[in-house]
Amino acid sequence: EVQLVESGGGLVQPGGSLRLSCAVSGITLSNSWMSWVRQAPGKGLEWVANIKQDGSEKYYVDSVKGRFIISRDNANYSLYLQMNSLRADDTAVYYCARDSPRSMSAPFDYWGQGTLVTVSS
Amino acid sequence: DIQMTQSPSSLSASVGDRVTITCRASQSISIYLNWYQHKPGKAPKLLIYAASSLHSRVPSRFSGSGSETEFTLTISSLQPEDFATYYCQQSYSTPSFGGGTKVEIK
Repeated sequence: EVQLVESGGGLVQPGGSLRLSCAVSGITLSNSWMSWVRQAPGKGLEWVANIKQDGSEKYYVDSVKGRFIISRDNANYSLYLQMNSLRADDTAVYYCARDSPRSMSAPFDYWGQGTLVTVSS
Repeated sequence: DIQMTQSPSSLSASVGDRVTITCRASQSISIYLNWYQHKPGKAPKLLIYAASSLHSRVPSRFSGSGSETEFTLTISSLQPEDFATYYCQQSYSTPSFGGGTKVEIK
């Protein structure tokens, strides 16, 4: 059974930092790009960042560039998102997801249940 | 960046109805288009990939079509478990989602 389990969410003050983790099991992590996707309260899904299989390429949505860093540890089946200089509009449920290697359109075929990040004073 | 626009943003329908959701891309994306179903408190689920391919274990009442800039998701006969929010997503460049279509009970 494939499982993606996020952790590390919580309440943080504006300007603070948080590191999210995603523990992956049931798939070979090193075969796939991986992404973080978020959903702010009452809003739609927003892709945040992704990372190539070997970590050599990383991409970010404009709103988090220079503040968030995506990384991975294939040996430990883990994906991370370091979030710095957090703002109120970063408040969201954060999901990790696999970019499927099985299709040219690289859909997100496996998702975690999400972890809530709340940025508030 | 590629913008994805879904319509309608919400709709009311009855069990058994045929439902069609449209997604438009701001530029041509070939068939790099995926569809998801999302229910509150749950992880999103992949329904359709590459515009028209049905993901495994997804009921055949779901179908997708389109290419270039215009795409549709069709539910041929709406079931009670289909009331949810649906999103399109392009993967032609850095990923982006449409704004979502909430399907509610009429």
